[in-house]
Amino acid sequence: SQTIHQWPATLVQPVGSPLSLECTVEGTSNPNLYWYRQAAGRGLQLLFYSVGIGQISSEVPQNLSASRPQDRQFILSSKKLLLSDSGFYLCAWATTTGISGNTIYFGEGSWLTVV
Amino acid sequence: AQSVTQLGSHVSVSEGALVLLRCNYSSSVPPYLFWYVQYPNQGLQLLLKYTTGATLVKGINGFEAEFKKSETSFHLTKPSAHMSDAAEYFCAVSGPGRRALTFGSGTRLQVQP
Repeated sequence: SQTIHQWPATLVQPVGSPLSLECTVEGTSNPNLYWYRQAAGRGLQLLFYSVGIGQISSEVPQNLSASRPQDRQFILSSKKLLLSDSGFYLCAWATTTGISGNTIYFGEGSWLTVV
Repeated sequence: AQSVTQLGSHVSVSEGALVLLRCNYSSSVPPYLFWYVQYPNQGLQLLLKYTTGATLVKGINGFEAEFKKSETSFHLTKPSAHMSDAAEYFCAVSGPGRRALTFGSGTRLQVQP
C-alpha cells in the first residue's frame, strides 16, 4: 500500500531564516506531488505541483520554492521566511493515470510558525 | 477556471440530527467533485468523490453527496450526526485535464450532545 511521510511535524522559525520541509511517498512510482498551505480560516491554497523529477509548477508567486530531486521526494524551501509564511503545510500525491478523477492523498501536515 | 463556495464556515447540529454541508462549484469543464474531512492537526482524508455515472455518491462514515448539475451543487449529507463527526470538511473540484484540486474554504462541523 502507498504511504506518504512528511516532516518535520512542527517547527518554529525566526523571520529571515531558511526553511526546508520534506515529503516522501512510498509504494507507488511517478506520482503527481503537491504542496498545499492551509492558513487559518482560508482553506487550502495550492502552492506547487510536480508531474515528474525536476518538473515544478508554481501556482502562487511568493518567497517559497519547491524541488523534486527524486521520483518520490518533494521538498518545500525558503531562503528567508516571512511572518506571512506561517501556516499548516500539506504534502500530497496522486497517481498520474486518469489524473483529473484520481484522489489526492494527503500527508499529516507540518505546522510552521514564523516568529 | 474552477472555484468552490462552501456556504457557512461553521455549522452546529445536535447528535442524531441531520447533517447538511453545502457546496457549490463553478467549472468551465465537466467537474469532478470531492469531499474531504480534516480532524484537528491532521491531514485530509477523502470522504467521497464524484467523477462520472451515478449522481448520488456514498462515502465513508455514513456520508453521501448528490451531484446536481442544474444547481451546480454537491452538498454533503448524513442522516444522523455522531459526536465523532466533529471536524472540518472541505469540498474540492477538478476536471478533465486538471492536475490539481481547487478547494473551498471549509466548513467546521460541531456536534452538540
